[in-house]
Amino acid sequence: GENVEQHPSTLSVQEGDSAVIKCTYSDSASNYFPWYKQELGKGPQLIIDIRSNVGEKKDQRIAVTLNKTAKHFSLHITETQPEDSAVYFCAASTGSGNTPLVFGKGTRLSVIA
Amino acid sequence: DVKVTQSSRYLVKRTGEKVFLECVQDMDHENMFWYRQDPGLGLRLIYFSYDVKMKEKGDIPEGYSVSREKKERFSLILESASTNQTSMYLCASSFSRATNEKLFFGSGTQLSVL
Repeated sequence: GENVEQHPSTLSVQEGDSAVIKCTYSDSASNYFPWYKQELGKGPQLIIDIRSNVGEKKDQRIAVTLNKTAKHFSLHITETQPEDSAVYFCAASTGSGNTPLVFGKGTRLSVIA
Repeated sequence: DVKVTQSSRYLVKRTGEKVFLECVQDMDHENMFWYRQDPGLGLRLIYFSYDVKMKEKGDIPEGYSVSREKKERFSLILESASTNQTSMYLCASSFSRATNEKLFFGSGTQLSVL
């Protein structure tokens, strides 16, 4: 089955700097790659996703890139703000309803003011 | 917006007790999921369901069972709670089985088994 590795497990950045979180996946059939953000005391919430027919997707300060050949995808947050501090999870699946998402172990991002 | 409600935020139980964790969603979603979240281990899938009275095992089903008698409600059952089941439990739902779409999570239940 699918295996998703996520790095780093913790990340500290100065406010205004960029943050990058990387994930690799094992199943070449995977074609759906979402990112979830979990704030303290809350459940994870989808912030951006990408499908394998595109290489990059952007939403304001957040972008995700996908390299299908290398089987890795990354989350980029620019101009970080204190409210970006959270745990971020990447995930992968084949996009079929028969195969639920497989999550990475998470990255705790701290943005220092 | 979709609301996924978990019945308890915190729960303390004793070893050997039968424990029920309840989850209700209000948007007529077909799919419902139970995850367990532990530090350093991420989100691990326990059970999921794509329809009423349907259930499928996830990655770590041992020691758990589930019930889905109504579309909006998905219950996680610990038949005989053990200390290694102390964890944060997250319920989630999504619209359709046809494709993997956005998951909506509840706020979680922090279960302590003493």
